Amino acid sequence: RKEVEQDPGPFNVPEGATVAFNCTYSNSASQSFFWYRQDCRKEPKLLMSVYSSGNEDGRFTAQLNRASQYISLLIRDSKLSDSATYLCVVRDDKIIFGKGTRLHILP
Amino acid sequence: DAMVIQNPRYQVTQFGKPVTLSCSQTLNHNVMYWYQQKSSQAPKLLFHYYDKDFNNEADTPDNFQSRRPNTSFCFLDIRSPGLGDAAMYLCATSRDRLAVYNEQFFGPGTRLTVL
Repeated sequence: RKEVEQDPGPFNVPEGATVAFNCTYSNSASQSFFWYRQDCRKEPKLLMSVYSSGNEDGRFTAQLNRASQYISLLIRDSKLSDSATYLCVVRDDKIIFGKGTRLHILP
Repeated sequence: DAMVIQNPRYQVTQFGKPVTLSCSQTLNHNVMYWYQQKSSQAPKLLFHYYDKDFNNEADTPDNFQSRRPNTSFCFLDIRSPGLGDAAMYLCATSRDRLAVYNEQFFGPGTRLTVL
């Protein structure tokens, strides 16, 4: 099993729809979790940290399920500007990036 | 204002010709990281500095070296670039290494082409 695994997509979603994707991780001792956004040919930028109790930032909701070892990202009322690659990042004694999930919001 | 700056943004070198990529930060962060990212792949950590303490990843080739002369600057040296080293090189910083929630700030990257 890969250390951090994501569905590569692409997810093609109409504008205004809700989209969710998951990320699974293999090390049950992982301590912290993040979602980063990366636009084409640009650097990753932190979207949100993922806390045990789940957290929300505007249209974005992140959740952690330690029992099943996955984190999720939910985007509501998607905008064209949400089109990007979403990278899952998991930290145990090192920082591990997933390969990312590509999201295309369609007008 | 840019907080993590990388120069140059695009670098072309010849096979086997040494190249140095530069990263500077205005955040006064203790930790600086170098990642290699190839197309459609995850960023791969090459090494990081915690202050002056150098930490190499086990699978980073010897061809890749790094220097951190002071808190603000960190360099990536590729001694003999091969065609397989063509990639985006990302520099990142974080305030600490041990904090559980420890955001990394990335520079814009240097895209390296090897001819």
